[in-house]
Amino acid sequence: GDSVTQMEGPVTLSEEAFLTINCTYTATGYPSLFWYVQYPGEGLQLLLKATKADDKGSNKGFEATYRKETTSFHLEKGSVQVSDSAVYFCALSVASGGSYIPTFGRGTSLIVHP
Amino acid sequence: KAGVTQTPRYLIKTRGQQVTLSCSPISGHRSVSWYQQTPGQGLQFLFEYFSETQRNKGNFPGRFSGRQFSNSRSEMNVSTLELGDSALYLCASSLDRDSLQFFGPGTRLTVL
Repeated sequence: GDSVTQMEGPVTLSEEAFLTINCTYTATGYPSLFWYVQYPGEGLQLLLKATKADDKGSNKGFEATYRKETTSFHLEKGSVQVSDSAVYFCALSVASGGSYIPTFGRGTSLIVHP
Repeated sequence: KAGVTQTPRYLIKTRGQQVTLSCSPISGHRSVSWYQQTPGQGLQFLFEYFSETQRNKGNFPGRFSGRQFSNSRSEMNVSTLELGDSALYLCASSLDRDSLQFFGPGTRLTVL
């Protein structure tokens, strides 16, 4: 079945450091790919998405490129802030029964120190 | 525009009891999905409703059920609670299939 594999956390960085969170996937068909962020005590928020190969999603300084050849969708940010501390989920969705049901990775916790 | 709301936010139950959780989607959204989030299993899809019909179902036992009303509000019911049902239950709404999902803050269920 479809699956998403994320790097284990927590990832601990100092403010202004470069961030990479790795995500690889296995899917039948042509999935859409997503990154969600979950701040403490809150639900998930969509951070960015890409719907086809070579698409780049970007939002709030975060970027991820849909790489079909390596089945990857790594999340990057050039300079992290303390406020970026959260859990980040990589997800994919493919059509199933007329709907697009996401499959999520296990999440990667990011801790940014001042 | 108000976001997805879930009630209650916190709930404590004992084994064997049943529980009903509620989700109000964003106005105009017709699709509502439910997820269970636990440290051990991560985020798992429970089911999706669209126009009062269950459109997709995840791999959960029949103790987990749901419904959707004509105003798109949805409820999720878990009967005969088990300790392993302790989790954060998230609801997400979207306009339609292949639309972005917007998540609510979740209901934290603790089963003692």
